[in-house]
Amino acid sequence: DAGVIQSPRHEVTEMGQEVTLRCKPISGHDYLFWYRQTMMRGLELLIYFNNNVPIDDSGMPEDRFSAKMPNASFSTLKIQPSEPRDSAVYFCASSFYRARSYNEQFFGPGTRLTVL
Amino acid sequence: DAKTTQPTSMDCAEGRAANLPCNHSTISGNEYVYWYRQIHSQGPQYIIHGLKNNETNEMASLIITEDRKSSTLILPHATLRDTAVYYCIVRVGSSSNTGKLIFGQGTTLQVKP
Repeated sequence: DAGVIQSPRHEVTEMGQEVTLRCKPISGHDYLFWYRQTMMRGLELLIYFNNNVPIDDSGMPEDRFSAKMPNASFSTLKIQPSEPRDSAVYFCASSFYRARSYNEQFFGPGTRLTVL
Repeated sequence: DAKTTQPTSMDCAEGRAANLPCNHSTISGNEYVYWYRQIHSQGPQYIIHGLKNNETNEMASLIITEDRKSSTLILPHATLRDTAVYYCIVRVGSSSNTGKLIFGQGTTLQVKP
């Protein structure tokens, strides 16, 4: 398996523009997570899905952020309009529920977003 | 979920064992200890987890004290490729909250030749 795939790997945009980040989880995984990482705040969970349904979006910073998972093999994180403070590395991760104690998440390579 | 405390940074000589401590003094009986690491410019990677017994896999060993208030991740023979930020995470093994991991600041381990 190719692992979690994210695109684009790098994105540079101007303030006010719409940004769409994409993620393809590992086939067969039933959980998908979106994280954001900055030097100031570290690694933060934004939202996660189970079987394509959003379970917890309490980490989504504001209404400018939205995430969708239309099917088991694809998810998007959209920022509209983007602001310079959204500059960060965005990670997507997926996992397969095997037991309540087992929480191995597989992370993608990340998308480095720069908003000018 | 219980809060964890880790040293900000540590050094280790290549080939020697790296012992990374984690304090979780407020851990509850149903909370598990997870370790992840993040090599520079990559996504985090799962290492190991445990509840009360010591655990070992191909990557590392996890030693949990009897009172479960602290644990140590052991990399038996550290290599330069083990240089990374190591995160200790404590979370409830509940089916209602299966997904959520809260990452702290972690320990930056520098393996030196």
